[in-house]
Amino acid sequence: AQTVTQSQPEMSVQEAETVTLSCTYDTSESDYYLFWYKQPPSRQMILVIRQEAYKQQNATENRFSVNFQKAAKSFSLKISDSQLGDAAMYFCAYSHLNSGYALNFGKGTSLLVTP
Amino acid sequence: DGGITQSPKYLFRKEGQNVTLSCEQNLNHDAMYWYRQDPGQGLRLIYYSQIVNDFQKGDIAEGYSVSREKKESFPLTVTSAQKNPTAFYLCASSVGPGALHFGNGTRLTVT
Repeated sequence: AQTVTQSQPEMSVQEAETVTLSCTYDTSESDYYLFWYKQPPSRQMILVIRQEAYKQQNATENRFSVNFQKAAKSFSLKISDSQLGDAAMYFCAYSHLNSGYALNFGKGTSLLVTP
Repeated sequence: DGGITQSPKYLFRKEGQNVTLSCEQNLNHDAMYWYRQDPGQGLRLIYYSQIVNDFQKGDIAEGYSVSREKKESFPLTVTSAQKNPTAFYLCASSVGPGALHFGNGTRLTVT
């Protein structure tokens, strides 16, 4: 079974600064998908960014970007110009056809943004 | 507006009773999923269904059952065999390898 590991239970960043959240995963597959989801206190799951493993180019969405290192099985999320609204739980997730593209989640990183 | 509706938002039951959580989607998505979330844990997969009348167990299916009689609906029954049913339950849907769209969740408390 694939495992997703987020080694930072909590992170803190000052407003307007940059923070990087780490994620590693274990798989023997070559074609899969990786995601970062945000869960604010409302508990709504919000897609932040998505990466297809066959694409070498790192995905970006406005202030959010990833560093995808396929050989190292690493998928970190960088948040630039952090805002108070970025405070949330962040979950890294993996999916593959073998499991019907169900997401396999890490345990999450709680991000605190200070003024 | 297209989306996923989970009802109710809060649910209370006595120990030993079965309870069914509702999940309806109008996104015309083929695949639907049920997850459980506990404090300090990520989301864990209970069941998923890729087409009507077919579903597969996830990582923690014991004590749960599902049905998929209609494309739009994927109800989850928490049976009395589930030893620790109190949790936050999230339903999701997707089309192909795209990102999952989540409902707002149901908080189940069993006493």
